[in-house]
Amino acid sequence: KAGVTQTPRYLIKTRGQQVTLSCSPISGHRSVSWYQQTPGQGLQFLFEYFSETQRNKGNFPGRFSGRQFSNSRSEMNVSTLELGDSALYLCASSLGPSMVRVTEAFFGQGTRLTVV
Amino acid sequence: DAKTTQPPSMDCAEGRAANLPCNHSTISGNEYVYWYRQIHSQGPQYIIHGLKNNETNEMASLIITEDRKSSTLILPHATLRDTAVYYCIVFTNAGKSTFGDGTTLTVKP
Repeated sequence: KAGVTQTPRYLIKTRGQQVTLSCSPISGHRSVSWYQQTPGQGLQFLFEYFSETQRNKGNFPGRFSGRQFSNSRSEMNVSTLELGDSALYLCASSLGPSMVRVTEAFFGQGTRLTVV
Repeated sequence: DAKTTQPPSMDCAEGRAANLPCNHSTISGNEYVYWYRQIHSQGPQYIIHGLKNNETNEMASLIITEDRKSSTLILPHATLRDTAVYYCIVFTNAGKSTFGDGTTLTVKP
């Protein structure tokens, strides 16, 4: 079956702009989590959605937001982009609402965002 | 949030077992330990997870100490393609996760 699909793969934006990234989970998976990966900070949890509801949120400013649609596809939005937002953004899908419920998560290839 | 500690890097000879340690001394009773690996520029790949008992699958074995404060991922016969960054993760009861810096495993011929 198809894996987790993230689009676009690469993106270049200017400071102050906003950006929307998309994640299509594995068919049948209802949970989508988003992560930011930077060389200095490693992999950091952004938020998790399950059944169109945000279940958990990491320590990121309100400029980072997301949503999930009825077909489980998810989008994340970053407004007023800053240079420090340059990162690889990864999404992961899993069956259950939380990874502690013994359901492993499968990651997409990520979207590499560069803010100039 | 439960935090994990891993050595920053390790080397392993091709064909030998790679043993990657992880310390998670603040883990709670019902929190699972997961292992992922990430090859450069790709998304993390799930390897294995466990709660209390040792686990084995086609990729690796996971040994968890009795007090659950540490674990070891074992790749029984490392190949060059196993060169990657390996992350040991504990997911909290709230569903949040802390990836840490991981261990860069280099398998050498």
